[in-house]
Amino acid sequence: QVQLQESGPGLVKPSQTLSLTCTVSGGSISSSGYYWSWIRQHPGKGLEWIGYIYNSGSIYYNPSLKSRVTISGDTSKNQFSLRLTSVTAADTAVYYCARHEIDIVATTDWGQGTLVTVSS
Amino acid sequence: QSALTQPPSASGSPGQSVTISCSGTSSDVGGYNYVSWYQQHPGKAPKLMIYEVLKRPSGVPGRFSGSKSGNTASLTVSGLQAEDEAVYYCSSYAGSNNLVFGGGTKLTVL
Repeated sequence: QVQLQESGPGLVKPSQTLSLTCTVSGGSISSSGYYWSWIRQHPGKGLEWIGYIYNSGSIYYNPSLKSRVTISGDTSKNQFSLRLTSVTAADTAVYYCARHEIDIVATTDWGQGTLVTVSS
Repeated sequence: QSALTQPPSASGSPGQSVTISCSGTSSDVGGYNYVSWYQQHPGKAPKLMIYEVLKRPSGVPGRFSGSKSGNTASLTVSGLQAEDEAVYYCSSYAGSNNLVFGGGTKLTVL
């Protein structure tokens, strides 16, 4: 059973860069058939897809965030990461990393989520 | 891409059935049979309940079913149970390797 765990600072200052890492166990980010995703949830709000990476190669971003987002993968550590630049209070959210099964276009496994607050 | 439209709330008594809608466009819900539904309990991560419009992952009770007509998908929960009280989100493929989620529907079991 794959497990995903987010890690990173819980507090980021406005205009700075948010950086999170997802450590995957029980599965390989190099395996075919899966995208490795970042999804966020603003407090009390719905889910927002940020983007995903495939086999540390192909990367796809939500067009509304594309100018500020970078997703990367480190197969040696079986981790993938999120960087979001020029953050504002509107980026305060719970950030989830997740595994997305390509064939069925569904997110089958989720991390527990980590709250990132943007505040000075 | 815009978020899919869901009613903010739905409710039903134990044993009853309730249907939650998810409205999109021909560029997402209407264009692909890749609608998923997720259940989220407070403080927990979402859980996949339905994929490809109407398929259930192993372990999801048969009380949960999905359907689609045109640009609108639906999730029906039959024989409501107390543990079904949660927020439900729909998601759809939106082309060009993009995904879009709905705003969520809080299901209350009366």
